[in-house]
Amino acid sequence: DAKTTQPPSMDCAEGRAANLPCNHSTISGNEYVYWYRQIHSQGPQYIIHGLKNNETNEMASLIITEDRKSSTLILPHATLRDTAVYYCIVRVGFLTNAGGTSYGKLTFGQGTILTVHP
Amino acid sequence: GAGVSQTPSNKVTEKGKYVELRCDPISGHTALYWYRQSLGQGPEFLIYFQGTGAADDSGLPNDRFFAVRPEGSVSTLKIQRTERGDSAVYLCASSLTVREANEQFFGPGTRLTVL
Repeated sequence: DAKTTQPPSMDCAEGRAANLPCNHSTISGNEYVYWYRQIHSQGPQYIIHGLKNNETNEMASLIITEDRKSSTLILPHATLRDTAVYYCIVRVGFLTNAGGTSYGKLTFGQGTILTVHP
Repeated sequence: GAGVSQTPSNKVTEKGKYVELRCDPISGHTALYWYRQSLGQGPEFLIYFQGTGAADDSGLPNDRFFAVRPEGSVSTLKIQRTERGDSAVYLCASSLTVREANEQFFGPGTRLTVL
């Protein structure tokens, strides 16, 4: 799976939009961009994923650049409860017959610690 | 409905002992994953199951680690001759299938401490 690069930490004021960047310059055509977050002492929580189109759900929006080398997760109105570690993950999207490629696992990096302050 | 549950929530053991960690996935989920997370690090993949079979065990660090899922539901991660370096939070996740569009739902983890 392609490697991702994220800033180690970011701050955001409550009520403002939080924009979390991720670089994945070696992404392949069959790799999806996933975002998970982990609130202290809990298991990771799925946020959103996409292939090449921008995506939006009730939690966040995902903006993927046209060349797919980077993306931004947007939390439109951050709250204190959004304080967490945010992981950007690139993951192969389908089974291959070549062997040796794992399908289904998530490869987590260090993530970005987002702190939302009052 | 109930999420992924893991027992025990905390386990303290002595070096050299054997431990078992249990994961109950969400009902109907055919894929089950194990990860472990050391302090300050992101979760690290260990193994995943599709049904009863281990589809990928490439993340197991050595042969002291073994996992089973005999009936395609509950899974047990077994660690023999525990070492202090095995101390971590062990996370379990499940998903409907291994299709890429299916999110993984994580349990709260088991914190293992090896003294």
